[in-house]
Amino acid sequence: AQKITQTQPGMFVQEKEAVTLDCTYDTSDPSYGLFWYKQPSSGEMIFLIYQGSYDQQNATEGRYSLNFQKARKSANLVISASQLGDSAMYFCAMREGLTGANNLFFGTGTRLTVIP
Amino acid sequence: SQTIHQWPATLVQPVGSPLSLECTVEGTSNPNLYWYRQAAGRGLQLLFYSVGIGQISSEVPQNLSASRPQDRQFILSSKKLLLSDSGFYLCAWSSGSGGPKETQYFGPGTRLLVL
Repeated sequence: AQKITQTQPGMFVQEKEAVTLDCTYDTSDPSYGLFWYKQPSSGEMIFLIYQGSYDQQNATEGRYSLNFQKARKSANLVISASQLGDSAMYFCAMREGLTGANNLFFGTGTRLTVIP
Repeated sequence: SQTIHQWPATLVQPVGSPLSLECTVEGTSNPNLYWYRQAAGRGLQLLFYSVGIGQISSEVPQNLSASRPQDRQFILSSKKLLLSDSGFYLCAWSSGSGGPKETQYFGPGTRLLVL
């Protein structure tokens, strides 16, 4: 089974509007972390936001927030007030457990296009 | 602050030729290091990771290999490239502190085209 599922291959949003990018995950480990990365056309993966499995509140970082619904195993990224520079691929990723160099499992990504 | 470098940025190689991609990290010590490959339009696939000098773990069997000759240097190699080795190769580092919050930070990547 896929550990990270991103069901939206592409999304469009009007500039200055908010957009939600979906992410669901699958793990039996009670301790895990969820990450969102942005990949612009240049290719570099830019870390955006983190949510821990034990965090009581949804993570926020500037215009990014994470809608964490633990029971539903979803960790959707919300981008408020979209800007043209937000056009990029967005990847959800998960890290399980507490030991060693635990690997990040990535979803297949969502391509976001911001329309002027 | 920490920075991560990769080179070359772009590489075009013939099938059967050798490969050496280099990744270095500055501003931190004893990091965990990772090599990922991203095929066109796909997510990232972890190839190798390292928790210390000379310690390499392979995630996917392939004709690639990795080495860590120095604390902050990670090298991806191949003796004979295949067409299927084409892709975007990303190096990443993390602090090695452990725990699910440990974040990986990525380099600018190397685009490899095997012809």
